[in-house]
Amino acid sequence: DTEVTQTPKHLVMGMTNKKSLKCEQHMGHRAMYWYKQKAKKPPELMFVYSYEKLSINESVPSRFSPECPNSSLLNLHLHALQPEDSALYLCASSQPAGQIKETQYFGPGTRLLVL
Amino acid sequence: SQQGEEDPQALSIQEGENATMNCSYKTSINNLQWYRQNSGRGLVHLILIRSNEREKHSGRLRVTLDTSKKSSSLLITASRAADTASYFCATDAYKLTFGTGTRLQVTL
Repeated sequence: DTEVTQTPKHLVMGMTNKKSLKCEQHMGHRAMYWYKQKAKKPPELMFVYSYEKLSINESVPSRFSPECPNSSLLNLHLHALQPEDSALYLCASSQPAGQIKETQYFGPGTRLLVL
Repeated sequence: SQQGEEDPQALSIQEGENATMNCSYKTSINNLQWYRQNSGRGLVHLILIRSNEREKHSGRLRVTLDTSKKSSSLLITASRAADTASYFCATDAYKLTFGTGTRLQVTL
């Protein structure tokens, strides 16, 4: 199984809502990632989990809260978002993110619209 | 910024033609990867070339790497309409950093 799944595919939320994005992989990868991608731009790294511990936080606002309950699951909790947070949120996984970065496997993304 | 630059930003060719896109980067790398993204969807890994390699092939894809010039190129031969997508190079430092991307349009 070389698939990374993400739910939901689409999400519309108000600025006062609380929602969560979910990501799952069963490839035995021990590194998982959240990226944010605006239209016609490259993905930008938000968070990296390595062996279920947060290893990189790219100065992401606290209204985004990641969680890695186990080695297969990655969540991104959203609270009090702003319209400029509307984007495609991509999850990815790989073998542990050491010094040499190996292939990352991406999910299809969650298209988020904040009203 | 460590972000790579890709050119051209957009490329339109006819089916059967070859497509070449270039990537320049700023920092030393262990490897360089190319990814493809269909509109609004996740990225798909195409090929990885290590810093000690100069050329690599995979099917209709040919990637070159020149570490002295900090540049790479991706050649897609005999393009098909299904190759229409955005293509990103990605370099590794403490994180994987994606280039600005090339939007390829292949017309029938």
